[in-house]
Amino acid sequence: QVQLQESGPGLVKPSGTLSLTCAVSGGSISSSHWWSWVRQPPGKGLEWIGEIYHSGSTNYNPSLKSRVTISVDKSKNQFSLKVSSVTAADTAVYYCAKREYNYGQLNYWGQGTLVTVSS
Amino acid sequence: EIVMTQSPATLSVSPGERATLSCRASQSVSRNLAWYQQKPGQAPRLLIYGASTRATGIPARFSGSGSGTEFTLTISSLQSEDFAVYYCQQYNNWPPWTFGQGTKVEIK
Repeated sequence: QVQLQESGPGLVKPSGTLSLTCAVSGGSISSSHWWSWVRQPPGKGLEWIGEIYHSGSTNYNPSLKSRVTISVDKSKNQFSLKVSSVTAADTAVYYCAKREYNYGQLNYWGQGTLVTVSS
Repeated sequence: EIVMTQSPATLSVSPGERATLSCRASQSVSRNLAWYQQKPGQAPRLLIYGASTRATGIPARFSGSGSGTEFTLTISSLQSEDFAVYYCQQYNNWPPWTFGQGTKVEIK
């Protein structure tokens, strides 16, 4: 069974870049899955950020596209998220998740990591 | 972008009773809809996909129905572990995938 584990700094300064990694275990990142990032501001709902396939193909939420980069490292079986020019509005729990290639539901999730944007 | 609207925001139900949660899409999403359960401090868990197919390991008391723009999640007899927040998600038109704002099911 696939397991996902997010990691990265819990505190980022305003105008800086948020960087997170999701380690995949129990399966290959090169399998037929899309690998996603979803975030949840404290006390609020879920927002899909974007996703990547092992080939490097990406899809992004248009509302965040100008600030977001998702990449994959097949040698380390992990994928990463970068959000630039962060503000307090980017404070959230960030989840990585997986969906099957031809299906839209997210069937495996990491436990999430809280990132706070503050000086 | 498709907007998903869930109602009610909060649902107060007694254990053993039925809970009915609604999700409406701003345009048709066919049957490309999923439901998730989220408990405090935990990641969302997939319950239903394809509007009505239970995910692996999900109890039969959870059922989904609907198509187009109107969807329902029914919990036939609420157990203590079912008190949580429930989100719907459409995956018919993307990007982006979009979620509803959630329905909190609380103990009455």
